[in-house]
Amino acid sequence: EAQVTQNPRYLITVTGKKLTVTCSQNMNHEYMSWYRQDPGLGLRQIYYSMNVEVTDKGDVPEGYKVSRKEKRNFPLILESPSPNQTSLYFCASRRQGATGELFFGEGSRLTVL
Amino acid sequence: AQSVTQLDSQVPVFEEAPVELRCNYSSSVSVYLFWYVQYPNQGLQLLLKYLSGSTLVESINGFEAEFNKSQTSFHLRKPSVHISDTAEYFCAVTPNFNKFYFGSGTKLNVKP
Repeated sequence: EAQVTQNPRYLITVTGKKLTVTCSQNMNHEYMSWYRQDPGLGLRQIYYSMNVEVTDKGDVPEGYKVSRKEKRNFPLILESPSPNQTSLYFCASRRQGATGELFFGEGSRLTVL
Repeated sequence: AQSVTQLDSQVPVFEEAPVELRCNYSSSVSVYLFWYVQYPNQGLQLLLKYLSGSTLVESINGFEAEFNKSQTSFHLRKPSVHISDTAEYFCAVTPNFNKFYFGSGTKLNVKP
């Protein structure tokens, strides 16, 4: 089954404790991206990657890091989480050259105390 | 820069009634437009898209949207809604399929 898998789905952590949210897709997609969803703000793009070792900032990259060492994986790293990073995070992928359809994971709800 | 405005945060409607969810965007360049749907506790799914050609686009489940360049709008409509259409709907634009800009979402609540 074609899918985008995120882990963990739920996490409660404390300020300053480094964490990584993993994202993996099995569709051989070149493009992957991360979003955060906040009430009243919709989805905002954090980072995207057009292919292995190629990443670029979205609209809200501050406080996040990403890496793309393998085509299927695109982890989101919070080096020192803060309460304003409490949010619902989505990973998405698409085939390069495809006409824009993004395939989304089921989301990771992160709470930073 | 691009921005997307969905003025209606919630739209309550009775089953079998028509509905319109509004989306306006601003952009200094040409953009491609999308509507995504999010069911509870799920990720977003593509509903329909406008890339070029006919300004009226349709989905397989009866939704349609019309691109109006002069009004910079891409409103979503359905002539008769079902309970199963209850979800949150997001309008999105992209100038290049790499950076995507989403609206704040409209929660459609279909009542029996």
